[in-house]
Amino acid sequence: ETGVTQTPRHLVMGMTNKKSLKCEQHLGHNAMYWYKQSAKKPLELMFVYNFKEQTENNSVPSRFSPECPNSSHLFLHLHTLQPEDSALYLCASSRDMYNEQFFGPGTRLTVL
Amino acid sequence: RKEVEQDPGPFNVPEGATVAFNCTYSNSASQSFFWYRQDCRKEPKLLMSVYSSGNEDGRFTAQLNRASQYISLLIRDSKLSDSATYLCVADNNAGNMLTFGGGTRLMVKP
Repeated sequence: ETGVTQTPRHLVMGMTNKKSLKCEQHLGHNAMYWYKQSAKKPLELMFVYNFKEQTENNSVPSRFSPECPNSSHLFLHLHTLQPEDSALYLCASSRDMYNEQFFGPGTRLTVL
Repeated sequence: RKEVEQDPGPFNVPEGATVAFNCTYSNSASQSFFWYRQDCRKEPKLLMSVYSSGNEDGRFTAQLNRASQYISLLIRDSKLSDSATYLCVADNNAGNMLTFGGGTRLMVKP
């Protein structure tokens, strides 16, 4: 299944590094999402974009910075992360915000 | 109260058993409901939508009870491969965005 792709699949970074996560959807959807899922914990919604406009920022620390250049692409820029930020970062898209969401495979991030 | 609430489990059942999960939602105006399945260290995948009239797909049946504000998932003849976490989803009607429950873990044993 290649509807929603994410790169990289795995990332190890130090606390002083800057990296970016990329998500691309090939489904013609209008809404895209970033979620964080820590080990054995529920999904935490981070950001929502609808028609390229950010509609939700769920009290996420500023060391996470999203970017949505067009309806098909979503980035999450990371800088000066903390070890507790280690988690699975999932991207999802949906036709509209009340339709079912389709998830990418996620980026497993480890912050040393 | 959480917007979408589930019993985290785990539910441990033998192969062949029938198991049911409930999920409560807080917004009486919610219109869209779904069940997702998430395997360990994988992304959630859509299992089925939940319609007002209910929905059946093979061994899986989903139902909606608006009066009591819960949705249910029934799995008949459980298989080992059904072992996963099942996520309940409802729209929160504030921007019509979907809200995910914390998930119910199912373990099917031989």
